[in-house]
Amino acid sequence: SQQGEEDPQALSIQEGENATMNCSYKTSINNLQWYRQNSGRGLVHLILIRSNEREKHSGRLRVTLDTSKKSSSLLITASRAADTASYFCATDDDMRFGAGTRLTVKP
Amino acid sequence: GAGVSQTPSNKVTEKGKYVELRCDPISGHTALYWYRQSLGQGPEFLIYFQGTGAADDSGLPNDRFFAVRPEGSVSTLKIQRTERGDSAVYLCASSFSPFSYNEQFFGPGTRLTVL
Repeated sequence: SQQGEEDPQALSIQEGENATMNCSYKTSINNLQWYRQNSGRGLVHLILIRSNEREKHSGRLRVTLDTSKKSSSLLITASRAADTASYFCATDDDMRFGAGTRLTVKP
Repeated sequence: GAGVSQTPSNKVTEKGKYVELRCDPISGHTALYWYRQSLGQGPEFLIYFQGTGAADDSGLPNDRFFAVRPEGSVSTLKIQRTERGDSAVYLCASSFSPFSYNEQFFGPGTRLTVL
């Protein structure tokens, strides 16, 4: 079974709004990674956050990690139609992905 | 090459046939991973190589699936006696060192259809 599980399963917002996705995991980790998949083919790495970090930024992306709650969140600010994709988290523990969050950004 | 490549991009086969899917990782990447993904699902881990050896093959669904990486670079995923349920996109990824410390770079995938 997978370690990281994302929620919500689907999210639909208007362009310019912020999108927040969550990831929960079960066991201790060294790091957690977020990926994006645009078209059902290859995934693209977005950001890696280590267990001793609480927050990390990359452009319009903000990732938080709460090891006490075994959860992480991905925030996309000022969303664009091009952000429409599926987003996945995975932990270093077992390299397994959840079912992902399907984000739709409407123009 | 510039990225991870996979061949073929599409493969249609008949139930019971044998197929091979190839992955060319980024040069210098020691870790290589195979996943398969069904429509609407996340990638399902199959196997992970560190160099030439399979460090974790716990995701292979049964003994019809086998993967090799004889020289620590190119990898081939082999599926015997294919079944309709094997239809999926098979993704390959590589990283400079184990997943624990580095991002994975994914190939475009091979879409396998078993009729």
